[in-house]
Amino acid sequence: GESVGLHLPTLSVQEGDNSIINCAYSNSASDYFIWYKQESGKGPQFIIDIRSNMDKRQGQRVTVLLNKTVKHLSLQIAATQPGDSAVYFCANREGGSEKLVFGKGTKLTVNP
Amino acid sequence: NAGVTQTPKFQVLKTGQSMTLQCAQDMNHEYMSWYRQDPGMGLRLIHYSVGAGITDQGEVPNGYNVSRSTTEDFPLRLLSAAPSQTSVYFCASSYDSGNEQFFGPGTRLTVL
Repeated sequence: GESVGLHLPTLSVQEGDNSIINCAYSNSASDYFIWYKQESGKGPQFIIDIRSNMDKRQGQRVTVLLNKTVKHLSLQIAATQPGDSAVYFCANREGGSEKLVFGKGTKLTVNP
Repeated sequence: NAGVTQTPKFQVLKTGQSMTLQCAQDMNHEYMSWYRQDPGMGLRLIHYSVGAGITDQGEVPNGYNVSRSTTEDFPLRLLSAAPSQTSVYFCASSYDSGNEQFFGPGTRLTVL
């Protein structure tokens, strides 16, 4: 069955450092991957997505890397700021399915 | 645009009571979905819809019903509430399942 999980449940970084949040998935037929940020008491907020025909995609201060060989997804945040403190979720969609499967999340804490 | 709206924000039910969680979007999105989020967990898909008149089950559909009579609305019904349904419920919408989902602010439900 489909599973999406994270290697680390918590991550603490210093302000200005780069952050890397990792995610593993199990289904090689997954065709769409997405990262969300969730602040306390709020709904998830889209960060960036990537399709399976790409290895890398960049946004503003964020980069998503997809390694299909080892079924691994990562989110890189450059120059991490206190406002980046939140829980980050990865999710993916199995090819041919209409369902997104979410991981359990990584809590990122940015220390000033 | 209001985006995705959910009502109520908070609700307390007694075991066995029924209620409907409302969700509406004004972005003309075809795809809508309901998730529940339990403490320390990611989001789990309850039901989803790829368009008006079409619904399907997600990972955890038991105890919940949905309907999609219009593009805008996607209510979630609890027929006989149970304490195990205590959770935060999020509604989301998107153009389709392979695009960014916009989440509502959530409904915090407690079943006593």
